[in-house]
Amino acid sequence: AQSVAQPEDQVNVAEGNPLTVKCTYSVSGNPYLFWYVQYPNRGLQFLLKYITGDNLVKGSYGFEAEFNKSQTSFHLKKPSALVSDSALYFCAVREYNAGNMLTFGGGTRLMVKP
Amino acid sequence: NAGVTQTPKFRILKIGQSMTLQCTQDMNHNYMYWYRQDPGMGLKLIYYSVGAGITDKGEVPNGYNVSRSTTEDFPLRLELAAPSQTSVYFCASSYSGDRGELFFGSGTQLSVL
Repeated sequence: AQSVAQPEDQVNVAEGNPLTVKCTYSVSGNPYLFWYVQYPNRGLQFLLKYITGDNLVKGSYGFEAEFNKSQTSFHLKKPSALVSDSALYFCAVREYNAGNMLTFGGGTRLMVKP
Repeated sequence: NAGVTQTPKFRILKIGQSMTLQCTQDMNHNYMYWYRQDPGMGLKLIYYSVGAGITDKGEVPNGYNVSRSTTEDFPLRLELAAPSQTSVYFCASSYSGDRGELFFGSGTQLSVL
């Protein structure tokens, strides 16, 4: 069975500093990995995905994520945080050829302080 | 494009009542999903559909039913509402079943009292 872990409930960072939101996954085959962001009282919005190819994936709003197969991780990063990045972030995984079930992590709240 | 539209945005039900959460998308996506979001628990898949006339259970289908008579619409039916169904419900759609990202509606906040 596939699973996703986001070990931090909350990440605090000062504006202008780099940020990292951690995600690890477990699948028996090859993974498709996704990051979504949720602003208050809104649905989730897609940020980026890893399907195959380059391990460093670039997405919306300056975010990027690095796929590390040996560590089964897909951490979300941004070089310089903005106050407007404050939101709830979800990592999700779908196993290749395993149907349509997308498994989400529990979410990490990012707080960027001015 | 309006994307994925959910109605209503808020609803309070009494135990034992029934209701239907509406979801429609105008992106001609074949795949549609219903998730529930509980605090600190991420999202759990209730039901999904790979096309009109085809539906399948997700992780937490008990107490819910769905139908997919058209590509655009994917309503979620709650029969005999229970307090455990208090949650935020999200409908989503995607153009691909495995590689495609999901497009979410803005959610329905449901309380069962």
